[in-house]
Amino acid sequence: GEDVEQSLFLSVREGDSSVINCTYTDSSSTYLYWYKQEPGAGLQLLTYIFSNMDMKQDQRLTVLLNKKDKHLSLRIADTQTGDSAIYFCADYGENTPLVFGKGTRLSVIA
Amino acid sequence: AAGVIQSPRHLIKEKRETATLKCYPIPRHDTVYWYQQGPGQDPQFLISFYEKMQSDKGSIPDRFSAQQFSDYHSELNMSSLELGDSALYFCASSLGPSGQGNDSPLHFGNGTRLTVT
Repeated sequence: GEDVEQSLFLSVREGDSSVINCTYTDSSSTYLYWYKQEPGAGLQLLTYIFSNMDMKQDQRLTVLLNKKDKHLSLRIADTQTGDSAIYFCADYGENTPLVFGKGTRLSVIA
Repeated sequence: AAGVIQSPRHLIKEKRETATLKCYPIPRHDTVYWYQQGPGQDPQFLISFYEKMQSDKGSIPDRFSAQQFSDYHSELNMSSLELGDSALYFCASSLGPSGQGNDSPLHFGNGTRLTVT
């Protein structure tokens, strides 16, 4: 089945850029997603990218997709303390609507 | 903008009891999904419905059942609860079933936190 991998932890200083990486296995993926989950809260859709795109920018967020290497990244510019959360990469699997990675816990140090 | 509404927000049950979770999708969304997120885990897909019919089935235990009603809201029924069922249960909705070629992302509710004691 589809497998989505992410590093578990990332710590950055306030004002720096954060880069969260993700790899996936399903080569037929059409859309790939980034969700944000704050403590005790739901899953907030941050952004998504169509597989025929290499890059998508949305304000402080930049998504890069390397389809050949099945690698997706999320860059957050000028990271703020409010960006501290768990970030999930998600992809469509063969038999499920959405398969999530384990999530990357981003800690922002003031 | 209206979001996915889940109720209740919190639920405490004892082992072997039953529980019903409700989900009200975003207006006009016809597809609902249920996910289970254990402590420190990623969300796991349970089941989904499109136009009141089951569309996909994931790792939903036989003790659980779900349905989607004519107004598109959905209910997840859980029986013979076990301690291991303690988790955050998310509902999501989309316009049309999300999948290959369909640009319809899943929008999640805030979840129902179920605690089984």
